[in-house]
Amino acid sequence: SQTIHQWPATLVQPVGSPLSLECTVEGTSNPNLYWYRQAAGRGLQLLFYSVGIGQISSEVPQNLSASRPQDRQFILSSKKLLLSDSGFYLCAWSVPGIDYGYTFGSGTRLTVV
Amino acid sequence: KNQVEQSPQSLIILEGKNCTLQCNYTVSPFSNLRWYKQDTGRGPVSLTIMTFSENTKSNGRYTATLDADTKQSSLHITASQLSDSASYICVVSGGTDSWGKFQFGAGTQVVVTP
Repeated sequence: SQTIHQWPATLVQPVGSPLSLECTVEGTSNPNLYWYRQAAGRGLQLLFYSVGIGQISSEVPQNLSASRPQDRQFILSSKKLLLSDSGFYLCAWSVPGIDYGYTFGSGTRLTVV
Repeated sequence: KNQVEQSPQSLIILEGKNCTLQCNYTVSPFSNLRWYKQDTGRGPVSLTIMTFSENTKSNGRYTATLDADTKQSSLHITASQLSDSASYICVVSGGTDSWGKFQFGAGTQVVVTP
């Protein structure tokens, strides 16, 4: 069966520090991968999506970047965090070509102080 | 403008009572609609998925309905339990992006009290 792992679960970082959140998927090949952010009391905002290794599309301009070094690995990064980067970050995957919805990771609560 | 609107924004109900959440969408062409449950601090978990031809889909005490003509969906929770306290998110797929992006509602926060 397919599983998705996301870590860390919580993270407190000072302003200006770098960020690296990792997401890996098991039990499937060539998944579509996504990074979402959810601000407190708000809906999910798509940040990045990827249809393959090295293929990254960004939905909104921001202080973050994403990379997909391996088929089932998706990394969210920042060189210098801002206070506004605080939020709940979710990784998700879906099967290409099959409109069957997302499977989400357990999320990372990022607090920038 | 968000293509998926949910109401109410939040809801407080007594344990054992029923409630109904609403989702209106403008996504076109429509492919399917899902309801997710998101516990606080956790990732969303799928409850139901409905395609254009389906009107009703149940998952235990959760029943989703879909009217593709009026572009409305509802999620009915029967005999609510404390564990039903969560955010319920409506997600619609379709539109002109055919490879798999989805439109999310902002969610309805449900609080079940003893």
